[in-house]
Amino acid sequence: DAGVIQSPRHEVTEMGQEVTLRCKPISGHDYLFWYRQTMMRGLELLIYFNNNVPIDDSGMPEDRFSAKMPNASFSTLKIQPSEPRDSAVYFCASSSVSTNEKLFFGSGTQLSVL
Amino acid sequence: EDKVVQSPLSLVVHEGDTVTLNCSYEVTNFRSLLWYKQEKKAPTFLFMLTSSGIEKKSGRLSSILDKKELFSILNITATQTGDSAIYLCAVEGTGNQFYFGTGTSLTVIP
Repeated sequence: DAGVIQSPRHEVTEMGQEVTLRCKPISGHDYLFWYRQTMMRGLELLIYFNNNVPIDDSGMPEDRFSAKMPNASFSTLKIQPSEPRDSAVYFCASSSVSTNEKLFFGSGTQLSVL
Repeated sequence: EDKVVQSPLSLVVHEGDTVTLNCSYEVTNFRSLLWYKQEKKAPTFLFMLTSSGIEKKSGRLSSILDKKELFSILNITATQTGDSAIYLCAVEGTGNQFYFGTGTSLTVIP
């Protein structure tokens, strides 16, 4: 398996624009997580899904953030409208309870909002 | 509130030194503790610990868990410049949720 795949690797956008981050989890993994990492706050859990269903979105900072998982092999994290304080590295990770495969991370998306 | 605390926040050592990184936690319904190494981008998995007192070892790295005192340590012996990274501790709690510490930044000087 190619691991968790995220795109784009880098995104530079202007304040107010919509940003969509994409993630393909490891095949067979039933949990998918979206994290945000900054120097100040470290790794923060934004939302996670189990079998495509959102379980806990309490980490989503505000209504500007939304996430979907339409099927087992794809998820998106959308920010609309984006703000400079959203600048961070966004990681997607997946895991499997049934095979006890713990949290594997994608390469992340470096987001810069100008 | 569930939390994971790592110490020290940063560490600078010389090549060949031995380092010990600490991770303490308060997490409801503990299931496992994981250590990751983060260099330039994505955290990469090092160890998963579920039982107290059983050391996990991989080359110069080793880790052990104490579920009574709620902490784990990560040891690196004979450090090399390639060990320079941020080391993250994560604890799995209820519902397969993972709680991360802020990490320890390790710098190994030649």
